[in-house]
Amino acid sequence: DAGVTQSPTHLIKTRGQQVTLRCSPKSGHDTVSWYQQALGQGPQFIFQYYEEEERQRGNFPDRFSGHQFPNYSSELNVNALLLGDSALYLCASSLRSLNQPQHFGDGTRLSIL
Amino acid sequence: AQSVTQLGSHVSVSEGALVLLRCNYSSSVPPYLFWYVQYPNQGLQLLLKYTTGATLVKGINGFEAEFKKSETSFHLTKPSAHMSDAAEYFCAVMNSGYSTLTFGKGTMLLVSP
Repeated sequence: DAGVTQSPTHLIKTRGQQVTLRCSPKSGHDTVSWYQQALGQGPQFIFQYYEEEERQRGNFPDRFSGHQFPNYSSELNVNALLLGDSALYLCASSLRSLNQPQHFGDGTRLSIL
Repeated sequence: AQSVTQLGSHVSVSEGALVLLRCNYSSSVPPYLFWYVQYPNQGLQLLLKYTTGATLVKGINGFEAEFKKSETSFHLTKPSAHMSDAAEYFCAVMNSGYSTLTFGKGTMLLVSP
């Protein structure tokens, strides 16, 4: 039973560029959430997708956008990258039912030069 | 809004000693609480969760946590630390609705021989 998988594992970009991160949820899960974890901090919620729509959003600018596909996989896009976007980006999947625990992937380490 | 405070960014114990990691929460509704562990260069692994019912929750790897409503606490304990327990631990509260999490800043557990 495959868990949550994310790609790529590492990425280096320069300021102003755009990036796309990918996530495949755990088998049987239909909801995908994205988190940003800056160095030395806890993860912060970016947004959540269910039925191919953004259902909830944290306090992140519109430069952060996403998508969910019919097979429940998801992408996180970040435009106009800033140095402060350097972080570990974590994808988590869960079942839509209330209060189900989230299962996390190993993340994508994004470095902005 | 819900929040989590983890007391102590670093906790050091000797192998075989008691592990106590502190977590206090703020929530306007009955909280669902979680502890996750993060090993270097990895994602988050669920240790245990409290939803309803028994206030003493047992998790994986010998960890347990007790929900104390009167103290708004959910401290994580393990009777005897092992070298393999060295990692960062995050306490999280589930936000009302569908499964998003608010995390504390994390506590790094250091285990010495």
